[in-house]
Amino acid sequence: ETGVTQSPTHLIKTRGQQVTLRCSSQSGHNTVSWYQQALGQGPQFIFQYYREEENGRGNFPPRFSGLQFPNYSSELNVNALELDDSALYLCASSFRVSDVAYEQYFGPGTRLTVT
Amino acid sequence: SQQGEEDPQALSIQEGENATMNCSYKTSINNLQWYRQNSGRGLVHLILIRSNEREKHSGRLRVTLDTSKKSSSLLITASRAADTASYFCATDTNAGNMLTFGGGTRLMVKP
Repeated sequence: ETGVTQSPTHLIKTRGQQVTLRCSSQSGHNTVSWYQQALGQGPQFIFQYYREEENGRGNFPPRFSGLQFPNYSSELNVNALELDDSALYLCASSFRVSDVAYEQYFGPGTRLTVT
Repeated sequence: SQQGEEDPQALSIQEGENATMNCSYKTSINNLQWYRQNSGRGLVHLILIRSNEREKHSGRLRVTLDTSKKSSSLLITASRAADTASYFCATDTNAGNMLTFGGGTRLMVKP
């Protein structure tokens, strides 16, 4: 167990709906990253939050947005869901000092199915 | 887009044999990391090798990095059935943990 938790475990939504996924970071970690993993593929970086601000973003449209709270827990929001958004969503937390981030720990993921 | 490409995509071996997985990438990196994933669950960090390192060991794992060829390999010695999983390499260009993953190698270790 990494100490990173995600909720819910599974979720089914309809195309066009909005979804919020949650992540609780490991204690002491100030950085959280979100990844999307389609079936049979490697994870793809969505974005990273450091001290409550977006610190980097992958090639994902603006309908993917996030928040990091003062306790360093985090949310991933996806608007106007599309069928291709069906995937395992992983969050990962790490401790960052200046420009260097140390070993990150992944949560178990949220399996999102869009019908 | 995925920078890393793992080879082979799938590997099946007998318990006790060694397993070697290779990873190639395209751009300069700060470090390269290997992860394991069981049955579509969360990723487990195995080992990190920095761009100025050539080889690293952790238990039964041995990782090499050749920055001139932009490639890395993961060797698992004396494999066990419990090693059955997908293995991913991931590159980090600026030490910020914004990782670019490859497509993974699916390893099956038969008892």
